[in-house]
Amino acid sequence: GQQVQQSPASLVLQEGENAELQCNFSSTATQLQWFYQSPGGSLVSLLSNPSGTKHTGRLTSTTVTKERRSSLHISSSQTTDSGTYLCAIDLNSGTYQRFGTGTKLQVVP
Amino acid sequence: EAAVTQSPRSKVAVTGGKVTLSCHQTNNHDYMYWYRQDTGHGLRLIHYSYVADSTEKGDIPDGYKASRPSQENFSLILELASLSQTAVYFCASSHREDTQYFGPGTRLLVL
Repeated sequence: GQQVQQSPASLVLQEGENAELQCNFSSTATQLQWFYQSPGGSLVSLLSNPSGTKHTGRLTSTTVTKERRSSLHISSSQTTDSGTYLCAIDLNSGTYQRFGTGTKLQVVP
Repeated sequence: EAAVTQSPRSKVAVTGGKVTLSCHQTNNHDYMYWYRQDTGHGLRLIHYSYVADSTEKGDIPDGYKASRPSQENFSLILELASLSQTAVYFCASSHREDTQYFGPGTRLLVL
């Protein structure tokens, strides 16, 4: 089965609303990263958060390792936040990461 | 800023033909990766390497070979391209357990 599951698959928000994206994984993870993929396809790392809570700008990630889940909260969404958000888990103790299928976010004016 | 470049950026290949995708990084990273992305499957790891002259299989290595002739360069080779290999291919580099930096992707269409 899918080792990294993300929800929802897609989300439409009005500009200014907050978004909550979820990532659940099937095994213990030593590394967890959130990535953003632009509508044009480019991929960038947003933040790394294997446990606890981390903030960067309008993004907050909370990872509960024991419960094998992580969330990404986007506050005061902007149209430029539109794109796909990917969660990646290191399931092999540092060898490589597996990606979820992503949450496609659309922020409308 | 970390830099990963890929070439070509897009390619049309014929079924049964040989395709080579190239990746170059100037980050001095030891790890390099090749992923493919298909709608509904997200990013899936094909091959990776943690040192020059050595490659490792990822989750979906069948039909692909990889080559790491130097720390900076990592190639993905499709010896006999098939229709099912139409996808977008991404290269990435990182230090172990550190942030991955991705290239811009290569769109491959096999006809």
